[in-house]
Amino acid sequence: DTEVTQTPKHLVMGMTNKKSLKCEQHMGHRAMYWYKQKAKKPPELMFVYSYEKLSINESVPSRFSPECPNSSLLNLHLHALQPEDSALYLCASSQAPGQSGANVLTFGAGSRLTVL
Amino acid sequence: RKEVEQDPGPFNVPEGATVAFNCTYSNSASQSFFWYRQDCRKEPKLLMSVYSSGNEDGRFTAQLNRASQYISLLIRDSKLSDSATYLCVVNGGNTPLVFGKGTRLSVIA
Repeated sequence: DTEVTQTPKHLVMGMTNKKSLKCEQHMGHRAMYWYKQKAKKPPELMFVYSYEKLSINESVPSRFSPECPNSSLLNLHLHALQPEDSALYLCASSQAPGQSGANVLTFGAGSRLTVL
Repeated sequence: RKEVEQDPGPFNVPEGATVAFNCTYSNSASQSFFWYRQDCRKEPKLLMSVYSSGNEDGRFTAQLNRASQYISLLIRDSKLSDSATYLCVVNGGNTPLVFGKGTRLSVIA
């Protein structure tokens, strides 16, 4: 069982819907990440939170809005998505930058999103 | 030159074979190197970190060549369960981890 839990596992939404993806970890990690992965491609970094503050936004469209309510939770709010946004959205966590293990990512199982 | 390059494969090998993957990286300041494994429709999982002196974990051996800026993964005595995509991951100082496109391995009975 993965130590990073993502919900929902599958999500189908229309282009006018608003939905959220959720991620939770209880490993005491202080860095959390959102990645997007299309079929047969590597994960692409979207956002990084370090100590609950957004530290990296890889020029992601504003229809994706991340939120880190506390050190264990990470959300990704979705609004007015396009069909090309359909992908596997992976959450990951790691030790904070500067700490041992800072670059070792633990991934959740992902949320598979389909935008109609 | 892409930041992290891998041969996409697929590598189709019989059970028991030895197979090696290489990965090259462009950022000479990179300090951390990893191999992740990703099964079909699953999340990536850390297979092993790669250390300067090289390291071994059972049937898996990882090597780092800083001068030539490449890392390698050797799998001995391949099992059917080794079939997966192997992702080379590199970081460069303060930059986020960069994933290679992955190398697909199919081990055939």
